[in-house]
Amino acid sequence: GNSVTQMEGPVTLSEEAFLTINCTYTATGYPSLFWYVQYPGEGLQLLLKATKADDKGSNKGFEATYRKETTSFHLEKGSVQVSDSAVYFCALSDQVGTSYDKVIFGPGTSLSVIP
Amino acid sequence: GAVVSQHPSRVICKSGTSVKIECRSLDFQATTMFWYRQFPKKSLMLMATSNEGSKATYEQGVEKDKFLINHASLTLSTLTVTSAHPEDSSFYICSAVRGGFGETQYFGPGTRLLVL
Repeated sequence: GNSVTQMEGPVTLSEEAFLTINCTYTATGYPSLFWYVQYPGEGLQLLLKATKADDKGSNKGFEATYRKETTSFHLEKGSVQVSDSAVYFCALSDQVGTSYDKVIFGPGTSLSVIP
Repeated sequence: GAVVSQHPSRVICKSGTSVKIECRSLDFQATTMFWYRQFPKKSLMLMATSNEGSKATYEQGVEKDKFLINHASLTLSTLTVTSAHPEDSSFYICSAVRGGFGETQYFGPGTRLLVL
């Protein structure tokens, strides 16, 4: 079945360091891909998404490109801040029947940014 | 963006009691809502999918008699944990979708359940 794999971390970086969180997926068809972020004690927020091959999603300085040839959707940010400390989930949407998508989440990557 | 709320945000109950958690889409009509469970430092596990006016579809291994889901309107879904036990303690998160395929899921802030 469809699945998402990502580096589990925890990842600890100094402020202003470059961030990469790797994500690869297995899917039939053409899923949409997402990155969600969860701050401590809160629910999930959509960070960015891409719906087709070669699309680049971007938001708040974060970017990820849908690479069908490598089945990857790696998250990057050029300069992280302390406020970026959170858990990041890579996910894909899986079409179910004729009415809705089901989202499949990766295990999450915990990021801590230290001043 | 679309807003999804959950109530309560936190609940503590005694073992054997039932707890109801509400999930509301505040500014859109949700054709489909999802219920997830998240264990500490773990990913989200989809429990069930509910469509307005029809029975929920449960994922394998989720007891439907234990976790009752009702999606009575296009803006409200409820999850009732019946006869809760300490092992049901968890973070429960709902999400809602406006339409069909390709639509983004909007997540609620979550409900932390602690069963004593």
